[in-house]
Amino acid sequence: KNQVEQSPQSLIILEGKNCTLQCNYTVSPFSNLRWYKQDTGRGPVSLTIMTFSENTKSNGRYTATLDADTKQSSLHITASQLSDSASYICVVSDRGSTLGRLYFGRGTQLTVWP
Amino acid sequence: EADIYQTPRYLVIGTGKKITLECSQTMGHDKMYWYQQDPGMELHLIHYSYGVNSTEKGDLSSESTVSRIRTEHFPLTLESARPSHTSQYLCASSGQPGQGMLAGGVEQFFGPGTRLTVL
Repeated sequence: KNQVEQSPQSLIILEGKNCTLQCNYTVSPFSNLRWYKQDTGRGPVSLTIMTFSENTKSNGRYTATLDADTKQSSLHITASQLSDSASYICVVSDRGSTLGRLYFGRGTQLTVWP
Repeated sequence: EADIYQTPRYLVIGTGKKITLECSQTMGHDKMYWYQQDPGMELHLIHYSYGVNSTEKGDLSSESTVSRIRTEHFPLTLESARPSHTSQYLCASSGQPGQGMLAGGVEQFFGPGTRLTVL
């Protein structure tokens, strides 16, 4: 069964601090991995997308890593801001279907305190 | 500006009512999706469409139905709402105009969601 597991489930950090979120997946055959940010009451918004051959990708203060051998990814947030408070969802896509099926993690709920 | 819209954003109704959740996108995407999301849980695909007149059921069984008469419009209907239908419903779309079915790599763009509460 294709699964995406994220940790921690929730995280509280102080403004200005860094943090790292983890994602482990078993989706196969692997196509790509995305990190989405979902604000409360809103739809998810893509932060980064990584394919099999990429192991690091940055988007401003967000840096995602991918180890396709161990099927692990991380999202590192530097110099956190209050607006970073949201759920961060790891989403893995397989290449076994024409639909481009997505497999979602449950997300890490990040709270940034002033 | 290309975007994906959902209305209403919030809906509170009584049991047994018929409801339609609207979803429209202005990006010309061929594929559209409906997801259901409960608090703290992952998104579950309940319906999808490859294009006009195409509708398929997703991974999670749902009593809702969908239609795709126009490329930009993908409404979801519940004939008789029940408290078990209380959830957040997210619509998404993917694909570039004119492209055929693609595997995996195309990003899905999500609408803001409809928070449905059935009393």
